[in-house]
Amino acid sequence: EAGVVQSPRYKIIEKKQPVAFWCNPISGHNTLYWYLQNLGQGPELLIRYENEEAVDDSQLPKDRFSAERLKGVDSTLKIQPAELGDSAVYLCASSPGTGGAEQYFGPGTRLTVT
Amino acid sequence: DQQVKQNSPSLSVQEGRISILNCDYTNSMFDYFLWYKKYPAEGPTFLISISSIKDKNEDGRFTVFLNKSAKHLSLHIVPSQPGDSAVYFCAASDGGQNFVFGPGTRLSVLP
Repeated sequence: EAGVVQSPRYKIIEKKQPVAFWCNPISGHNTLYWYLQNLGQGPELLIRYENEEAVDDSQLPKDRFSAERLKGVDSTLKIQPAELGDSAVYLCASSPGTGGAEQYFGPGTRLTVT
Repeated sequence: DQQVKQNSPSLSVQEGRISILNCDYTNSMFDYFLWYKKYPAEGPTFLISISSIKDKNEDGRFTVFLNKSAKHLSLHIVPSQPGDSAVYFCAASDGGQNFVFGPGTRLSVLP
C-alpha cells in the first residue's frame, strides 16, 4: 500500500513569492490534515478535511494561507505571499476517519523563505 | 499554552537498557493518546496508542502507561536498540479527529 505522498520535498523561495504544496493521501482515507512543524517543536494543525469539506481551519492564517481538496482526494496548500517566518516543514497526514484512528504522515515539504 | 508537554528534549540510553519517555497534558478532556516516532527527513510514524479506559497498553518492546489522575503518560522501550534512536512525539485527542502534539523527545540509544 502506497503511503502519503507529498511534493516537492524541498522548496526555497524569496519572501513575498507564492508557493504551493501538494499531497496525495492513502487511498480510501477520508480525513486529510495539513500540519506545520517548526524546528524543535511538534506538528501543529493548520487544517483538517473530511472528504472535500474543511471541517477545522481555525489555525490556518487565512490572510496568506489557503487550501483546497477538490474531489476529496488530493490536496494543495498555498502561501501567498510567503514571509520569512513561514520557513518550516509542512506535513500532510491522512486517516481512515474512524474515531481515534492514528494518522499516517507523508515525508513533509521543507520550506525555506529567504 | 502547551496542552501536551514533553519536558525532556533529549534522552540517552545504553543499548539493552530501558528507555522511558514522559508526557504530561493539561486538558482533562483528552481521552486518547498516541506515540509517534520520527526519523530525520521522514514524517512521524505511529507507534502505539492508549485509550483513557485503560492504564496500560503493550506492543512488543513498547509499553505505554497512562495515569489519568496525574495527567501523565509514559512510553517504555525495553530492551532499547540503536534503531530506536529517533524523536518521539506524544499526541492527545479529546475524542475528535484532531490531535495535539508535544514538542518531542530525542532518544539516542548508544551501542
